[in-house]
Amino acid sequence: KAGVTQTPRYLIKTRGQQVTLSCSPISGHRSVSWYQQTPGQGLQFLFEYFSETQRNKGNFPGRFSGRQFSNSRSEMNVSTLELGDSALYLCASSLGVLASTDTQYFGPGTRLTVL
Amino acid sequence: SQQGEEDPQALSIQEGENATMNCSYKTSINNLQWYRQNSGRGLVHLILIRSNEREKHSGRLRVTLDTSKKSSSLLITASRAADTASYFCATADSGSARQLTFGSGTQLTVLP
Repeated sequence: KAGVTQTPRYLIKTRGQQVTLSCSPISGHRSVSWYQQTPGQGLQFLFEYFSETQRNKGNFPGRFSGRQFSNSRSEMNVSTLELGDSALYLCASSLGVLASTDTQYFGPGTRLTVL
Repeated sequence: SQQGEEDPQALSIQEGENATMNCSYKTSINNLQWYRQNSGRGLVHLILIRSNEREKHSGRLRVTLDTSKKSSSLLITASRAADTASYFCATADSGSARQLTFGSGTQLTVLP
């Protein structure tokens, strides 16, 4: 089975711009979660989608949004970029059904640099 | 926000030695998972232990969970240079099982 894929792998943007990141989950997985990793804050949960619905949301401003398509692929969007948005954005997929054993598998990440 | 702390923050050992990392957390959990990350790349899932389990093994890995102390440990036996990486514990809370809360990580260096 192919793993979780994320595109693009690297991105450079300037302050004020917006960006869209894409994630394709493992085949058969219906849950997709997004995380932000920075040296200062570590790994932080952004949101989770299941069957095209946002099921959980972390403590991030409204500039961060996402969506999921009927084929379970997901996108996240960051508008009005700030320097502090520079981070590694990780996507994870899971079956999304049985909570106690639901393993999340991560993609390679998108490295976003905001200048 | 970080769920808790990992201890130690950095660990350096010789090949062949065992490495033990500890993780503490704060809330009731559904499960606890351990991940490995090499140099800013994606996270590789190592092992999941459910809240009603006390110990689990996978190859050279042994994980323990003590829910009364809200702590877990990861033991890597007979370490190899290829085990050099950052190791993170992540908890899936009872209320939102797929919202993983990560520890701060342990940087393990295995010297050849």
